[in-house]
Amino acid sequence: DAGVTQSPTHLIKTRGQQVTLRCSPKSGHDTVSWYQQALGQGPQFIFQYYEEEERQRGNFPDRFSGHQFPNYSSELNVNALLLGDSALYLCASSSRGGANTGELFFGEGSRLTVL
Amino acid sequence: AQSVTQPDIHITVSEGASLELRCNYSYGATPYLFWYVQSPGQGLQLLLKYFSGDTLVQGIKGFEAEFKRSQSSFNLRKPSVHWSDAAEYFCAVGLRYTGNQFYFGTGTSLTVIP
Repeated sequence: DAGVTQSPTHLIKTRGQQVTLRCSPKSGHDTVSWYQQALGQGPQFIFQYYEEEERQRGNFPDRFSGHQFPNYSSELNVNALLLGDSALYLCASSSRGGANTGELFFGEGSRLTVL
Repeated sequence: AQSVTQPDIHITVSEGASLELRCNYSYGATPYLFWYVQSPGQGLQLLLKYFSGDTLVQGIKGFEAEFKRSQSSFNLRKPSVHWSDAAEYFCAVGLRYTGNQFYFGTGTSLTVIP
């Protein structure tokens, strides 16, 4: 049973560029959440997708956007990158249906460095 | 305002010694409570969770945590630490009315010395 998979694992961008990160949820899960973890900090909630719609959003600017596909996989897009966007981006999957066990299952993250 | 506080940024213990990591939360109602562990360069792995019922919960790797409503705390404990327990530990709360949106503390880094 594959867990949460994320790609790419590492990437380097320059200020002003755009980036797309990808996530495949754990088998049986239908909800994907994205978190940003800056160095030395705890993860911060960006947004959550369910049924291909953004359901909840944290305190992040509109430069952060996402998408969920019919197969439940998801993308996180960040436009006009800033140095402060450098972080580990974590994808977490869960289920709102019968498989809901209440916790989040995390991928290993995508490490973004903005120069 | 909602918050999760882990007052200890860094803790060092000797292998075989006991461990307690502190977590306090500030919310209007009893949330779902979790402890996650993160090894360097890795994602987060769930150690244990509390939803309701018995306030002492058992997790993986010999960890346990106790929910104390009066103190708004959910401290993580282990009776005998192993060198492999060295990692970053995060306390998290999930508010029932917001589904699975989690709020994390800033983490406690654990160093284990031989």
